[in-house]
Amino acid sequence: NAGVTQTPKFQVLKTGQSMTLQCAQDMNHEYMSWYRQDPGMGLRLIHYSVGAGITDQGEVPNGYNVSRSTTEDFPLRLLSAAPSQTSVYFCASSKGQFGGQPQHFGDGTRLSIL
Amino acid sequence: GDSVTQMEGPVTLSEEAFLTINCTYTATGYPSLFWYVQYPGEGLQLLLKATKADDKGSNKGFEATYRKETTSFHLEKGSVQVSDSAVYFCALTANTPLVFGKGTRLSVIA
Repeated sequence: NAGVTQTPKFQVLKTGQSMTLQCAQDMNHEYMSWYRQDPGMGLRLIHYSVGAGITDQGEVPNGYNVSRSTTEDFPLRLLSAAPSQTSVYFCASSKGQFGGQPQHFGDGTRLSIL
Repeated sequence: GDSVTQMEGPVTLSEEAFLTINCTYTATGYPSLFWYVQYPGEGLQLLLKATKADDKGSNKGFEATYRKETTSFHLEKGSVQVSDSAVYFCALTANTPLVFGKGTRLSVIA
């Protein structure tokens, strides 16, 4: 079972470059989300989606865009990378929207912005 | 808004020691509570959960009881192993996206 797959695993960018972090799940989950993990900050929600065509902002959405054209995929786009976006990014999915449904996490993308 | 507070780490224990990691929460409504574990270089994995007051979640020797009166969900294990070394996150959802604590790093030495 693939579960939640994130690519790439590592990436180094220069300030101002753009890129897309890919996230795909094969569990037919409606709900998907993106988090960033920074030392001493836990995980902070960037954007989330409750189904294809529906997205919403989380706690730290500035500088990031998302779209959800299919149930399986939820890419995260950095339009103009900044050093403050250096972080580890995690994608997660769950069967239900909220409530008692556990989330399944990918292994993360480690992003460095120079 | 909803929030989770967990004890600061790092926590260093000897093998077979008793573990407690404190977690308290603030939420409107009746949240579901979770403990996730993150091993080095990996994503988060669900360790255990509880969805209503007085529920006890358990898995791999870890336990946590949902205490509504003290708004707490402390993680415990009677005898830790070196393989339990990881970062542990307490989290909640109350019909909202998951809200995480800042994580507690546990190191178990042989």
